[in-house]
Amino acid sequence: NAGVTQTPKFQVLKTGQSMTLQCAQDMNHNSMYWYRQDPGMGLRLIYYSASEGTTDKGEVPNGYNVSRLNKREFSLRLESAAPSQTSVYFCASQLNHPNTDTQYFGPGTRLTVL
Amino acid sequence: QQPVQSPQAVILREGEDAVINCSSSKALYSVHWYRQKHGEAPVFLMILLKGGEQKGHEKISASFNEKKQQSSLYLTASQLSYSGTYFCGTQFSSGSARQLTFGSGTQLTVLP
Repeated sequence: NAGVTQTPKFQVLKTGQSMTLQCAQDMNHNSMYWYRQDPGMGLRLIYYSASEGTTDKGEVPNGYNVSRLNKREFSLRLESAAPSQTSVYFCASQLNHPNTDTQYFGPGTRLTVL
Repeated sequence: QQPVQSPQAVILREGEDAVINCSSSKALYSVHWYRQKHGEAPVFLMILLKGGEQKGHEKISASFNEKKQQSSLYLTASQLSYSGTYFCGTQFSSGSARQLTFGSGTQLTVLP
């Protein structure tokens, strides 16, 4: 199993450009999440998807959109990138077992907006 | 309702012990501990559930004090490989989409 995979690993954009970050998991997990991590800070939730066909806003959703394409894939789109969106983006997935599960993270996408 | 982690940073020598705390102002359902090394993804360490017992894995263990709404991570006889940033993720309910709210992290450095 590859676990959670993300593409691309690195990306440089100019202000105003758009791009989509891809995430896929092969663990048959129900929920998927997008976080951003800024230097010296913890992970902040952007959007999440409790199950296929549903998406909800997290703590910092402005400037982003998401698509839960199927159970495996969850993409994050920046329609008009801004320098404030320079960050490391992590995708995570979770099975939703009642008592013992947690979130498993992908390797991250390092995004710089000039 | 971001949990508060303390200390923000700690430097140890190999073999020394450390305690990292995670406190919440809101009642917790569970606390998840992760370690992140520089440039890598967070890696799950353990989960503490409300009403559950103290957990442990080799020389790393954790507890959950429901009265204080606080979890503590204990690292004993630290090794160089323990270096990294430790995050607690807190969950407030057992809902279907278990959102985690993360603390800002504790940077642990273990020196030879």
